[in-house]
Amino acid sequence: QAVVTQEPSLTVSPGGTVTLTCGSSTGAVTSSHYPYWFQQKPGQAPRTLIFDTTHKHSWTPARFSGSLIGGKAALTLSGAQPEDEADYYCLLSYRASFVFGTGTKVTVL
Amino acid sequence: QVQLVESGGGVVQPGRSLRLSCAASGFSFRTFGMHWVRQAPGKGLEWVAYISYHGGSRFYADSVKGRFTSSRDNSKKTLFLQLNSLETDDTAVYFCVKVDSDGWIDHWGQGTLVTVSS
Repeated sequence: QAVVTQEPSLTVSPGGTVTLTCGSSTGAVTSSHYPYWFQQKPGQAPRTLIFDTTHKHSWTPARFSGSLIGGKAALTLSGAQPEDEADYYCLLSYRASFVFGTGTKVTVL
Repeated sequence: QVQLVESGGGVVQPGRSLRLSCAASGFSFRTFGMHWVRQAPGKGLEWVAYISYHGGSRFYADSVKGRFTSSRDNSKKTLFLQLNSLETDDTAVYFCVKVDSDGWIDHWGQGTLVTVSS
């Protein structure tokens, strides 16, 4: 099974920009992995932010965006807010299976 | 609005079985595929299983293949996960997760805790 790797932790200043990445042990992440990004706050269920690399749900704040950068999936948070402090997970599709990333704890400080 | 309410969690001994349920409301359950995802205490998310809208296609993580079975009763708007031969590593909060009409994950339930312990 593939291993999907994310930065363990990142810190961003209020109003600042941070980019989280999601890499695969099998090689470059492409649009065929249909990357997702999820946000999870303590004690809460995850919330879907991004699907199919770049697409947002109706509830996804505009300051979040998804992309592919350097063979990895990426989530960029532009104009960080205190309420964006959370754990973020990516999810990649591998044929008939899915693998979550290791998760990134984002601190807004 | 979409609601997914899991139930059936609890404390169970290793080797025993448990059946989880996920009651759906606020959408046409019979037309959407569903996932199960779990999260061990203090750990990250782990994908467990997917079942198509009609139940004809089912996929499982290697860690649960042969032990867990996903099923659904569309007439009762309920998703199930049968957990057999439980191991201590199966201790986790289990979430049911809906996909949208194009197959993309959208809504999550709040989860139910399964604790496997002797």
